[in-house]
Amino acid sequence: EADIYQTPRYLVIGTGKKITLECSQTMGHDKMYWYQQDPGMELHLIHYSYGVNSTEKGDLSSESTVSRIRTEHFPLTLESARPSHTSQYLCASSGTGNQPQHFGDGTRLSIL
Amino acid sequence: GQQVMQIPQYQHVQEGEDFTTYCNSSTTLSNIQWYKQRPGGHPVFLIQLVKSGEVKKQKRLTFQFGEAKKNSSLHITATQTTDVGTYFCAVDRGSTLGRLYFGRGTQLTVWP
Repeated sequence: EADIYQTPRYLVIGTGKKITLECSQTMGHDKMYWYQQDPGMELHLIHYSYGVNSTEKGDLSSESTVSRIRTEHFPLTLESARPSHTSQYLCASSGTGNQPQHFGDGTRLSIL
Repeated sequence: GQQVMQIPQYQHVQEGEDFTTYCNSSTTLSNIQWYKQRPGGHPVFLIQLVKSGEVKKQKRLTFQFGEAKKNSSLHITATQTTDVGTYFCAVDRGSTLGRLYFGRGTQLTVWP
């Protein structure tokens, strides 16, 4: 089983709060990804990173930001949460070449 | 735009019936990956196909890559309730950078 961890699993919080979703992997993977997924819907890539100090925006425009200061850690931050940010956020990582992506259990975020 | 078209979006079958989901691309693919996401879970890698005309089997699951490497299918023989979930195909653009483009997924429901 892949070693990629996301915290928190669930978060219910009020509008305007600053939120950081944590993602860590212990596989030494250079590549990490953040996806947004509504229940039963498709995966939307919002951020990805090819290594330390490398981050790129994905296909879906997002008000979130990411950082990659350490290989194993890829946190996602929302400076001021809004109800439209309510969704599930999935973190993934992959090794060299076209190796498959390993996903964390996700964070289900609800903004009131 | 979408890199790969996946159909059908939904499929409801009675236990014991077969199931097939298809992914089609307008461009030649270098490889294709398949993932399964159980309800409430995260995507889990199933298999990767690389060669033209490749066929791979995992118990009741059969994966095919078209001769032209523009389409792929996942066929489940004699579905069971444990097969319930969403099946995604995912492709890259021939790059080794690891970024995947996921299809919209096929949601499979199996009635006992």
